[in-house]
Amino acid sequence: EVQLVESGGGLVQPGGSLRLSCSASGFAFTSYAMHWVRQAPGRGLEYVSGISSNGGSTYNADSVKGRFTISRDNSKNTLYLQMSSLRAEDTAVYFCVKSLGDFGAFDIWGQGTTVTVSS
Amino acid sequence: SYVLTQPPSVSVAPGQTARITCGGNNIGGKSLHWYQQKPGQAPVLVVFDDSDRPSGIPERFSGSNSGNTATLTISRVEAGDEADYYCQVWDTSSDHRVFGGGTKLTVL
Repeated sequence: EVQLVESGGGLVQPGGSLRLSCSASGFAFTSYAMHWVRQAPGRGLEYVSGISSNGGSTYNADSVKGRFTISRDNSKNTLYLQMSSLRAEDTAVYFCVKSLGDFGAFDIWGQGTTVTVSS
Repeated sequence: SYVLTQPPSVSVAPGQTARITCGGNNIGGKSLHWYQQKPGQAPVLVVFDDSDRPSGIPERFSGSNSGNTATLTISRVEAGDEADYYCQVWDTSSDHRVFGGGTKLTVL
């Protein structure tokens, strides 16, 4: 069964840091680009970050550039999102997502992990 | 940056056809994808590359994309189709992956 399981979410103070993890199974993780998409409470979907299959290329949305870093460990079938200088507006459910190709549709989604930035 | 515009809501009676639009500048020149999201759940891909369906998605879901408007069509709407629907593209000029604001489909 193809599966993505996120972990690492929680409550953090403004200015703090958090690292999200996503464990992948059931598909050839090393062959696919991976991404993070978030959804603030009651809001729509927002693309956050992406990384190529070999980790050589990364992308960050303007809203997180310089604060978030996406990475992957293909030996562990795991995707990461290191978040720093967190703001209240980063409060959201963060989904780990697999794409059909580097620039293709998002075909597999995890259930999400919740990040709350609040004092 | 590239903007995708969706109507906030669409309502349809069971058994009828629902059409959800997604507008963008020359969107017909891009590959357009649609996602369904039910409350408390992760999104699910229902149409990719304008009109292809992933395995397991009913034939009632179809898509088209031309000019400045893409459309998700749901035929013979069922109560279980009630959800939020999002369109999405990769804008090559800005290298941004963009989502529309979402459309809430209500089955009357």
